[in-house]
Amino acid sequence: DAKTTQPPSMDCAEGRAANLPCNHSTISGNEYVYWYRQIHSQGPQYIIHGLKNNETNEMASLIITEDRKSSTLILPHATLRDTAVYYCIVRALRNSGNTPLVFGKGTRLSVIA
Amino acid sequence: GAVVSQHPSRVICKSGTSVKIECRSLDFQATTMFWYRQFPKKSLMLMATSNEGSKATYEQGVEKDKFLINHASLTLSTLTVTSAHPEDSSFYICSASTGQGSTDTQYFGPGTRLTVL
Repeated sequence: DAKTTQPPSMDCAEGRAANLPCNHSTISGNEYVYWYRQIHSQGPQYIIHGLKNNETNEMASLIITEDRKSSTLILPHATLRDTAVYYCIVRALRNSGNTPLVFGKGTRLSVIA
Repeated sequence: GAVVSQHPSRVICKSGTSVKIECRSLDFQATTMFWYRQFPKKSLMLMATSNEGSKATYEQGVEKDKFLINHASLTLSTLTVTSAHPEDSSFYICSASTGQGSTDTQYFGPGTRLTVL
């Protein structure tokens, strides 16, 4: 079972920031928070991941609360091409690197012109 | 990011035939690859974990004799759907892990849409 809770859908105006929340209240100390998105009929696309510090890359920012029980993915300037289902996933990493990603239902983000 | 390819992207076959899907990591070596299945308007469901040089580990409810997985090299894993039936029609997606520890990231292929008539 997925260990995260996300709203089923959200709308965002084009050019505005999209803030996607995720609750993971049972997260363990060795589990990372990963974000992926899936555009219709394509494979999931990696966005970002983090453990406890906030992270930023060319696609998005990830804000993780101090208690690590929730996080927010921020797309700073949403475009129509950002319309997709966004998945928040917690995953433990081991040295062998063979832990699969378990997908929940995600949040369907619709960017509106 | 790292690139994972799948072939074919789309296949239509008759009931009872077998279909092979290839998953390749193009610019990195992957000791572990994963196979997922996605039905319309549903999330991805993990089918199996494929490790190079060893037998795949299947999730509960996935028939290993029906979904044959071979991971013969560090860049190639194949999924063969044997004796396909219409209920096997789905979107099959593979992923590959790039590394270990905190740098490990899974990258996904573009998916293969299988339609069984």
